[in-house]
Amino acid sequence: GAGVSQSPRYKVAKRGQDVALRCDPISGHVSLFWYQQALGQGPEFLTYFQNEAQLDKSGLPSDRFFAERPEGSVSTLKIQRTQQEDSAVYLCASNLGGGLYGYTFGSGTRLTVV
Amino acid sequence: RKEVEQDPGPFNVPEGATVAFNCTYSNSASQSFFWYRQDCRKEPKLLMSVYSSGNEDGRFTAQLNRASQYISLLIRDSKLSDSATYLCVVAGSNDYKLSFGAGTTVTVRA
Repeated sequence: GAGVSQSPRYKVAKRGQDVALRCDPISGHVSLFWYQQALGQGPEFLTYFQNEAQLDKSGLPSDRFFAERPEGSVSTLKIQRTQQEDSAVYLCASNLGGGLYGYTFGSGTRLTVV
Repeated sequence: RKEVEQDPGPFNVPEGATVAFNCTYSNSASQSFFWYRQDCRKEPKLLMSVYSSGNEDGRFTAQLNRASQYISLLIRDSKLSDSATYLCVVAGSNDYKLSFGAGTTVTVRA
């Protein structure tokens, strides 16, 4: 596609509910990243994939967070038993071959946990 | 202590004015530096990379001071469309992970 596509755009979850956020990277982009942006803060790194391999998950805040990219294209970020502190915008980004350049972010999923 | 610190602002300036702001970073091993722009409720977009010698892109000038570990951005002849949050971004040797500051908000008024 022309850009990084994320869905849903908005998600309201009741505390304790599981959610799944989807990211469709730019076609052909090998690297995919998830970031979390809390209100009034900059994005914080969550995890990094190169093709289907999750090479870095050091930023995932707890074992309730899980990300996958089984076929090396679409990725899903799953949050189990959501808590209020999980409320944030979840941004997905991709680039052609890793590195720091050519990062393209999606519009994000705004998650509100009530 | 956060890895990247920025003055949150807001900086409210009239059209045509010059506005400048800095950020500081804590990791002396950082190797790559950027300014990203983020409009309200939109995704971050790369504004410019920052090089050791300083660099310009039109009305925007970025400077890096490695000794003092700060990065600056100067906007000349401000336009209404420059109103946004400017995110200072630093990356280390791992070559893929970006560390963002919380952003500096600039509002340009007519």
